[in-house]
Amino acid sequence: EAQVTQNPRYLITVTGKKLTVTCSQNMNHEYMSWYRQDPGLGLRQIYYSMNVEVTDKGDVPEGYKVSRKEKRNFPLILESPSPNQTSLYFCASSSWGVGDTGELFFGEGSRLTVL
Amino acid sequence: SQQGEEDPQALSIQEGENATMNCSYKTSINNLQWYRQNSGRGLVHLILIRSNEREKHSGRLRVTLDTSKKSSSLLITASRAADTASYFCATDAWEGNKLVFGAGTILRVKS
Repeated sequence: EAQVTQNPRYLITVTGKKLTVTCSQNMNHEYMSWYRQDPGLGLRQIYYSMNVEVTDKGDVPEGYKVSRKEKRNFPLILESPSPNQTSLYFCASSSWGVGDTGELFFGEGSRLTVL
Repeated sequence: SQQGEEDPQALSIQEGENATMNCSYKTSINNLQWYRQNSGRGLVHLILIRSNEREKHSGRLRVTLDTSKKSSSLLITASRAADTASYFCATDAWEGNKLVFGAGTILRVKS
């Protein structure tokens, strides 16, 4: 079954404790992206990757890091989480090429609370 | 930068009625997409309309696009309780390979 898998689905952590949210897709997609969703603000892009070893900032990259060492995986790293990073996070992937956008496939989301 | 903005923010209708949601955007686009999100779940793609198309249908969904007004509408006909969800429009953006999402319309269909 084609899917995007995120882990963990739920996490409560404390300020400053590094954490990683994993994302894996089994559709051989080149494009992967991370979004955060906050009430009233819709989805905002954090980082995206056009292919292996190619990553770029989205609209709200501060406080986050990503890596793309393998095509299927695109982890989101919070080096020193803060309460304003409490949010619902989504990983998404697609078969986009440069300048060509189409359907995004989303994971089920990771709800993160930073105390 | 938020490109798409949906209207209304919330909509409550009876089962069997039609639901119409609107989306406005600011810059030129290649395509506009609509997504659905059940409470707290991942978004699911519904339909894509390209900038050179004016109307598209998929089952009970009808999407229109007016590039001169930079607006789109999503019509769900004969709504069902299971259509209760949030609906988002998303537009692509040339300055970065991404989809820009609006804040969404919350649709509640009462049975």
